[in-house]
Amino acid sequence: KQEVTQIPAALSVPEGENLVLNCSFTDSAIYNLQWFRQDPGKGLTSLLLIQSSQREQTSGRLNASLDKSSGRSTLYIAASQPGDSATYLCALMNAGNMLTFGGGTRLMVKP
Amino acid sequence: SQTIHQWPATLVQPVGSPLSLECTVEGTSNPNLYWYRQAAGRGLQLLFYSVGIGQISSEVPQNLSASRPQDRQFILSSKKLLLSDSGFYLCAWSVLWSSTDTQYFGPGTRLTVL
Repeated sequence: KQEVTQIPAALSVPEGENLVLNCSFTDSAIYNLQWFRQDPGKGLTSLLLIQSSQREQTSGRLNASLDKSSGRSTLYIAASQPGDSATYLCALMNAGNMLTFGGGTRLMVKP
Repeated sequence: SQTIHQWPATLVQPVGSPLSLECTVEGTSNPNLYWYRQAAGRGLQLLFYSVGIGQISSEVPQNLSASRPQDRQFILSSKKLLLSDSGFYLCAWSVLWSSTDTQYFGPGTRLTVL
């Protein structure tokens, strides 16, 4: 059974700082790894999707990496802004198109 | 473009009462549909998924049931709510069964059972 862990559970940084969110997983037989953003009381928005054969994906100030051999992924956010404040969720897709989510990292960027 | 709707947005129900949450998707055909629950202090848990009308798979044993009466409609139900059913319920859809596919989430329903 896939288990996904996200560290830290919460993070508070001043505006402008670069930061890294971590995700680890136990089963490397994955189809893809995805990073989602969730604003309080809202649904999830997909940020980046890394296919099993890929090492990283970039979108604007966001860069996600995938290392299947070590069971790790990181989400790098450059030049953080108060609007980046949200919960970030890592999810792994295994066979059957099912997503297994981590517990999330709650990010607060202070102006 | 595709959109996904959930209602109600919030719901407060007494223990033992019935439940019906609705999810509809527009702008796509034959989507895969999913119900998730996000309980306080816990991660997102997949409850049910459906690959077609009348086809429901359950991921965890529980007090809830799901139905798909139409191609783009997914309903989450309970005959008698428990306190432990409180949480944030999210519906999602996807199209492809491939490594490039993502799931698109609705706005969610906040359920409080008292």
